[in-house]
Amino acid sequence: EPEVTQTPSHQVTQMGQEVILRCVPISNHLYFYWYRQILGQKVEFLVSFYNNEISEKSEIFDDQFSVERPDGSNFTLKIRSTKLEDSAMYFCASSAKGGGDLNTEAFFGQGTRLTVV
Amino acid sequence: AQTVTQSQPEMSVQEAETVTLSCTYDTSESDYYLFWYKQPPSRQMILVIRQEAYKQQNATENRFSVNFQKAAKSFSLKISDSQLGDAAMYFCAYYQGAQKLVFGQGTRLTINP
Repeated sequence: EPEVTQTPSHQVTQMGQEVILRCVPISNHLYFYWYRQILGQKVEFLVSFYNNEISEKSEIFDDQFSVERPDGSNFTLKIRSTKLEDSAMYFCASSAKGGGDLNTEAFFGQGTRLTVV
Repeated sequence: AQTVTQSQPEMSVQEAETVTLSCTYDTSESDYYLFWYKQPPSRQMILVIRQEAYKQQNATENRFSVNFQKAAKSFSLKISDSQLGDAAMYFCAYYQGAQKLVFGQGTRLTINP
């Protein structure tokens, strides 16, 4: 069964460092997402991406965040200068449809646990 | 803005019994999807069941079923014949085609053997 794959599963970084979280969405999917879950809290939407551009982003997704689809298969989330409060589980998701089409399902990766020290 | 509320931070049930997890949401839209996701200790998000708002019939997936009350904006999940493997965080989520899922706060379900 096709699945969304995220690497690494766990990353520890020093405050102020840049991190790149990687995701390989399901191959025929066109819509890609990043969500974040701070420990003990709910899952929060960060950004959606379609046709090589951001289609929507939340207020969490400020200038220190960026997303990219560098090679047609990977979908990355970059955090330029990490803060302690960026420590969270980051989930990548993809869907075949999106936008105004409600007949869709988002498939989630297993998550990357980011720890900023 | 759409909001999703799960008023039960924790629930517990005896193995083989039935448990119902509550979820309410707020929207002015008439067409949308609702989901229940399971998050086991591994923290992966696993889709359990989904409901299309235009369908009156409640969705069912094996031991999992929902009670969708559109007028009341209520979407509860019933787990029958609870098993130890059902222990997890359960998140209710709303999707209205705005490119994102809106999640509730989650309910931690414990299964007592």
